[in-house]
Amino acid sequence: KQEVTQIPAALSVPEGENLVLNCSFTDSAIYNLQWFRQDPGKGLTSLLLIQSSQREQTSGRLNASLDKSSGRSTLYIAASQPGDSATYLCAPLNFGNEKLTFGTGTRLTIIP
Amino acid sequence: SAVISQKPSRDICQRGTSLTIQCQVDSQVTMMFWYRQQPGQSLTLIATANQGSEATYESGFVIDKFPISRPNLTFSTLTVSNMSPEDSSIYLCSVDGQATDTQYFGPGTRLTVL
Repeated sequence: KQEVTQIPAALSVPEGENLVLNCSFTDSAIYNLQWFRQDPGKGLTSLLLIQSSQREQTSGRLNASLDKSSGRSTLYIAASQPGDSATYLCAPLNFGNEKLTFGTGTRLTIIP
Repeated sequence: SAVISQKPSRDICQRGTSLTIQCQVDSQVTMMFWYRQQPGQSLTLIATANQGSEATYESGFVIDKFPISRPNLTFSTLTVSNMSPEDSSIYLCSVDGQATDTQYFGPGTRLTVL
């Protein structure tokens, strides 16, 4: 059974700093991995999707990396802004059952 | 991408009653998923709904408690039956992107059971 852990659970940083969010998963037999953003009481917004054959994926100030063999992914946010404040969730998609398994999330607060 | 809407966006219900949540997608999709997010927790998959077949439920979720309909390729409903305060959660539907592997989520339905 896939288990996903995200560290840290919460993070507060001053505006403008670069930061890294971590995601680890126990079963490396994944099809891809998605990073999502969730604002309080809202649904999920897909940020980046990395295929299992890729090492990284970039969108604007966001860069996600994937090391499938070690069961790790990171989300790098450059030049953080107050609007980046949200909970970030990672979710690998497992081979076979095609189901996403969600991590516990990192609650990010950017201090103006 | 897929645009997903859910109704209602939120509701407050009495113990023992039932609520039906609707999920509408702006394009035809094969698979639709229903998730639950309990307060302070991450998302847990309830069931997968394919058009024309019975929904497939995850361990810990049963059809009598969470009946699902999938009458066509753009619509699904989830009913939360005989509610108790423990059912207070955000319920989200999602779909697979047809041209990509990205999974898209609706805005969620926030349910409070008194």
